Amino acid sequence: EVQLVESGGGLVQPGGSLRLSCAASGFTFSSYSMNWVRQAPGKGLEWVSYISSSSSTIYYADSVKGRFTISRDNAKNSLYLQMNSLRAEDTAVYYCARETGTIGIDPWGQGTLVTVSS
Amino acid sequence: SYELTQPPSVSVSPGQTARITCSGDALPKQYAYWYQQKPGQAPVLVIYKDSERPSGIPERFSGSSSGTTVTLTISGVQAEDEADYYCQSADSSGTPYVVFGGGTKLTVL
Repeated sequence: EVQLVESGGGLVQPGGSLRLSCAASGFTFSSYSMNWVRQAPGKGLEWVSYISSSSSTIYYADSVKGRFTISRDNAKNSLYLQMNSLRAEDTAVYYCARETGTIGIDPWGQGTLVTVSS
Repeated sequence: SYELTQPPSVSVSPGQTARITCSGDALPKQYAYWYQQKPGQAPVLVIYKDSERPSGIPERFSGSSSGTTVTLTISGVQAEDEADYYCQSADSSGTPYVVFGGGTKLTVL
């Protein structure tokens, strides 16, 4: 069974940092690009970042560019999101999700909640 | 920046047909995808490449495309279909790599 499990969320003060992890299983992780997508409380989905299978191509949403860094470790079947200079507006559930090209973004993890507040 | 526009809400009675639209200038050049999200759950892909249905998704879910608008159609709506639905595509001119519509709340009356 394909599974994605996020961890690392929590409460952090404005200006602080947090590192999210996503553990993948049930598929050949090194063959797939991955995404981070977030959802603020009561709001819609917002794409955050993309990384190709070999880490050679990386994209960020303008809202996080320069503050967030996506990375992966194919040997550990893991995806990461380093979040620095966090702001209140970064408060959201963060999902990791597999990119399957023209087949869509599937599946998604269960999400991890990040709360930025003093 | 590129935007996809969805109606905030759609309401239908059980057994009727629900149609949710999504509009965007790049849709004639980029595939559209649809995701279903129930409260407290992660999104689930229900349509890919405008009109293809992943395995395990009921046949009552279908997708279509016409010009700058794509449509998710749910035929014979059931109570369990009540959820938020998001369209997704890409900006053909550059970043952001992935764009989501604002979401449509489907209410089954």
